[in-house]
Amino acid sequence: QVQLVESGGDVVQPGRSLRLSCAASGFTFSGQAMHWVRQAPGKGLEWLAAISNDGGYQEYADSVRGRFTISRENTKNTLYLQMNSLRVEDTALYYCARDVYSAGTVGAPDYWGQGALVTVSS
Amino acid sequence: DIQMTQSPSSLPASVGDRVTITCRASQDIRNDLAWYQQKPGKAPERLIYAASSLQSGVPSRFSGSGSGTDFTLTISSLQPEDFATYYCLHHNSYPLTFGQGTKLEIK
Repeated sequence: QVQLVESGGDVVQPGRSLRLSCAASGFTFSGQAMHWVRQAPGKGLEWLAAISNDGGYQEYADSVRGRFTISRENTKNTLYLQMNSLRVEDTALYYCARDVYSAGTVGAPDYWGQGALVTVSS
Repeated sequence: DIQMTQSPSSLPASVGDRVTITCRASQDIRNDLAWYQQKPGKAPERLIYAASSLQSGVPSRFSGSGSGTDFTLTISSLQPEDFATYYCLHHNSYPLTFGQGTKLEIK
């Protein structure tokens, strides 16, 4: 069965960096595009970034472009989100999610992890 | 960017009720729309994709309709486990955007 397990969440000070990981299993990871989505406490869902199956194409939300970087290591079945220059408003639960396509066409994510909590506070 | 306007934000209802949630896109997104259910402390689960296709394993009381800019999620007869928050998501182009969410509450 498809499993996505996020890790790396922590409490960090504003301006610092953090890297999240998402370990995938139960499907051919190298065949699917992937997404990161976050949810601030008590708020709705916000799409952040996507990456094609081979890692060659990335897209970002305006709110994180230039600060966050999505990447993947297909040999390790792992998705990453490098977060730099963190702000208090980046405090959220971060989900990784699988796209139904590999690249070229944007799909609606079908499987989601349980999330990694990032708290940005001084 | 395409904006998604979801309504209502809160919907009091009773078991057995038929309920409808709507999402309006700021421009034509064909049928590139999905609906998700989220329960407290859980990850979202996809209910509907391509506007009207039922995700495998999802009860048939859930249905989706619409194309272009106007979409609806209907629950034909509410069950106790359906009280949750629902989100629409367009995936027509980047950036993807979610609706603001609808919290289905017990009346």
